[in-house]
Amino acid sequence: SQTIHQWPATLVQPVGSPLSLECTVEGTSNPNLYWYRQAAGRGLQLLFYSVGIGQISSEVPQNLSASRPQDRQFILSSKKLLLSDSGFYLCAWSGRRGFTEKLFFGSGTQLSVL
Amino acid sequence: AQKITQTQPGMFVQEKEAVTLDCTYDTSDPSYGLFWYKQPSSGEMIFLIYQGSYDQQNATEGRYSLNFQKARKSANLVISASQLGDSAMYFCAMREGDTGRRALTFGSGTRLQVQP
Repeated sequence: SQTIHQWPATLVQPVGSPLSLECTVEGTSNPNLYWYRQAAGRGLQLLFYSVGIGQISSEVPQNLSASRPQDRQFILSSKKLLLSDSGFYLCAWSGRRGFTEKLFFGSGTQLSVL
Repeated sequence: AQKITQTQPGMFVQEKEAVTLDCTYDTSDPSYGLFWYKQPSSGEMIFLIYQGSYDQQNATEGRYSLNFQKARKSANLVISASQLGDSAMYFCAMREGDTGRRALTFGSGTRLQVQP
């Protein structure tokens, strides 16, 4: 069966520090991968999605970046965190069969930038 | 324009009663999928139910059913026989098109509280 791992679960970082969040998927190959961010009490905002190794699409201009160095690995990064980067970050994957494909989510990372 | 609109920030329901969570969507694409997710306080996103734009019947999954009204562009979630464990945030989402490459667009959510 497929599983998705996301870590760390919580992270407290000072403003201006770098960021690296990692997500890996097991039990499937060539998935679509996604990074979402959720502000407190709000909906999910798509940050990045990837349809293959090295293929990243950005939905929102910001100081975050994403990379997909391996088929089932998705990394969210920042060189210098801002206060506004605080939030709950969720990684997800889906298959490729079409618009019927649901997303499977990781357990999320709560990021606090102080 | 909002793609997904959930107009109820919060809802209360008595245990064992049914509750309807509203969702309207906006798309000109004839092919789309509609999804509902539950997010308990732990933060995990749990898939509940799916409705495709070409599906003739309303989707059902256990105590969850989707009231799909295509002409009105609404996809309301109905939870029957509410349980205390149903207390959570509920999100409606949509994916457009046949490519499967696009991500889900989520609404702002509805916080459901089930009262004993």
